[in-house]
Amino acid sequence: DTGVSQDPRHKITKRGQNVTFRCDPISEHNRLYWYRQTLGQGPEFLTYFQNEAQLEKSRLLSDRFSAERPKGSFSTLEIQRTEQGDSAMYLCASSLGAGRYTEAFFGQGTRLTVV
Amino acid sequence: AQSVTQLGSHVSVSEGALVLLRCNYSSSVPPYLFWYVQYPNQGLQLLLKYTTGATLVKGINGFEAEFKKSETSFHLTKPSAHMSDAAEYFCAVGPPNTGKLIFGQGTTLQVKP
Repeated sequence: DTGVSQDPRHKITKRGQNVTFRCDPISEHNRLYWYRQTLGQGPEFLTYFQNEAQLEKSRLLSDRFSAERPKGSFSTLEIQRTEQGDSAMYLCASSLGAGRYTEAFFGQGTRLTVV
Repeated sequence: AQSVTQLGSHVSVSEGALVLLRCNYSSSVPPYLFWYVQYPNQGLQLLLKYTTGATLVKGINGFEAEFKKSETSFHLTKPSAHMSDAAEYFCAVGPPNTGKLIFGQGTTLQVKP
């Protein structure tokens, strides 16, 4: 296992288009997190899953954003009707949660540019 | 609620000098605290973490941090900077039950030859 994998690494899209990102967590990790990082800022929490259940969503996750984790394996993050303000790095992380903290491992991110 | 403040968005040191990156936190519950490093166009790598127990935590690459509850601080130090330490550093706080992290705004460390 080579770690958390995100695809694509870079995406350029026109304003108004829909985009979808994929995250493959470390196998056996039951928790999966999505963060957004804009230039010069720290990552901001968007949402997280435990297995296939989406347990928490940030208010940053507007109605245009939707995340899924079917069967508790990979996850997708879709942004509909993209806006220029959506331009950011989208980071995925996974961890093995079992009632106590374990380290979250991050992927290399998907950089989205909306033109 | 939890929050993190990193003091100083840019820190510049000479190679071989002490590195000190400052982090203060706010938390209504006993915090878990973390330092991550990010190289350009890369994800985040965990340097070290404090959960419970010993307040002086040692991490990778010679970094360490001390949890000071009375000062609500978790400053990151390294005795001698190396050119390869130049990167963005993030302090983060998290509740113990979710694994969700709240990050500071980051500090860019520049190392001069």
